[in-house]
Amino acid sequence: KAGVTQTPRYLIKTRGQQVTLSCSPISGHRSVSWYQQTPGQGLQFLFEYFSETQRNKGNFPGRFSGRQFSNSRSEMNVSTLELGDSALYLCASSPDSYGYTFGSGTRLTVV
Amino acid sequence: GENVEQHPSTLSVQEGDSAVIKCTYSDSASNYFPWYKQELGKGPQLIIDIRSNVGEKKDQRIAVTLNKTAKHFSLHITETQPEDSAVYFCAATPTSKKLVFGAGTILRVKS
Repeated sequence: KAGVTQTPRYLIKTRGQQVTLSCSPISGHRSVSWYQQTPGQGLQFLFEYFSETQRNKGNFPGRFSGRQFSNSRSEMNVSTLELGDSALYLCASSPDSYGYTFGSGTRLTVV
Repeated sequence: GENVEQHPSTLSVQEGDSAVIKCTYSDSASNYFPWYKQELGKGPQLIIDIRSNVGEKKDQRIAVTLNKTAKHFSLHITETQPEDSAVYFCAATPTSKKLVFGAGTILRVKS
């Protein structure tokens, strides 16, 4: 079966701009989570959506937001980009909050 | 909140030897402990997981043990092969249902 698909794979944005990342979960998976991965902070939880509702949120500023659609696809948005937002953004899906499968990520570079 | 510590940060072994990576967690309510393998340019791949009602789980050359009393769990890889070289992450899931990751272990298998 198809895995978790994230688009785009790479992005270069300028400070102050905003960006939207997309995630298509595995068919049938209703839980979608987002993580930020950086060399300094490692893998950090951003938020989780289940059946279009945000069920959990990490300790990130309000510039980071997300949503989930009725087909379980999810998007995350980062507004007013800062240099420190440069990271690999990973999406993971699960049928029931266990056994998360990750996508290959979107590499965001802010210049 | 939950905190996961992972050791060692780097591990070099000869091909055919065993490798052990250890993690400790702080939240006694955590009940799910997955291990992920991440190769360069890819997202983390779930390799094995264990729930808190089980003390040990094995899948071919990979095994995980859990000691709930001591709040630590370990990944054991036997008969290591060059393709086992990667970064390995442990994680714990507290009641908030998010994955809290360790800092990662770089495993190098020398042939």
